[in-house]
Amino acid sequence: EAGVTQSPTHLIKTRGQQATLRCSPISGHTSVYWYQQALGLGLQFLLWYDEGEERNRGNFPPRFSGRQFPNYSSELNVNALELEDSALYLCASSRARTEAFFGQGTRLTVV
Amino acid sequence: EDQVTQSPEALRLQEGESSSLNCSYTVSGLRGLFWYRQDPGKGPEFLFTLYSAGEEKEKERLKATLTKKESFLHITAPKPEDSATYLCAVRMGNYGQNFVFGPGTRLSVLP
Repeated sequence: EAGVTQSPTHLIKTRGQQATLRCSPISGHTSVYWYQQALGLGLQFLLWYDEGEERNRGNFPPRFSGRQFPNYSSELNVNALELEDSALYLCASSRARTEAFFGQGTRLTVV
Repeated sequence: EDQVTQSPEALRLQEGESSSLNCSYTVSGLRGLFWYRQDPGKGPEFLFTLYSAGEEKEKERLKATLTKKESFLHITAPKPEDSATYLCAVRMGNYGQNFVFGPGTRLSVLP
């Protein structure tokens, strides 16, 4: 069974640009979570999507947004990139309210 | 305020030296406690799920336990390959909408 897949693996953007990160959940999982992990720091909750709807949002500005598609895959968009947005962005998926499984992340570097 | 803390922040053990990691939580409406292992630059790897006080789960050299306010991850006779950051996460809220991670414990096992 395929795990959670994220693309791209690495992304380099210039300050002010927009970044789009993608996540494909494990088959059968309807929930997708996004987390930001700055270098050497913990996981900060960004967004939770379930059955196509945004169910919860962390303490991040509105320029962090996303969506979940009918096939349960998800996209995270970060507008007006700032240098401090440089981090590992992790996507996880779960079935209902059970344990979540993570992808390998997208390393976003803003220069 | 809902909170998840972990101690110690970092732990260095000699190979074979058993120890325990702690995860404490002050949350309303616990919907599950989860342990993960994370290697540098990688996504967290799921280890255990615990739902109720008194529950225990075991896998190789790892054993997780849960009380009403904390969980322990016991590591028996660790090996260098057990070196990683160990994260606990708590799902809480009326419908489990909050999935919050602790800051982690960095474990180093020396040969």
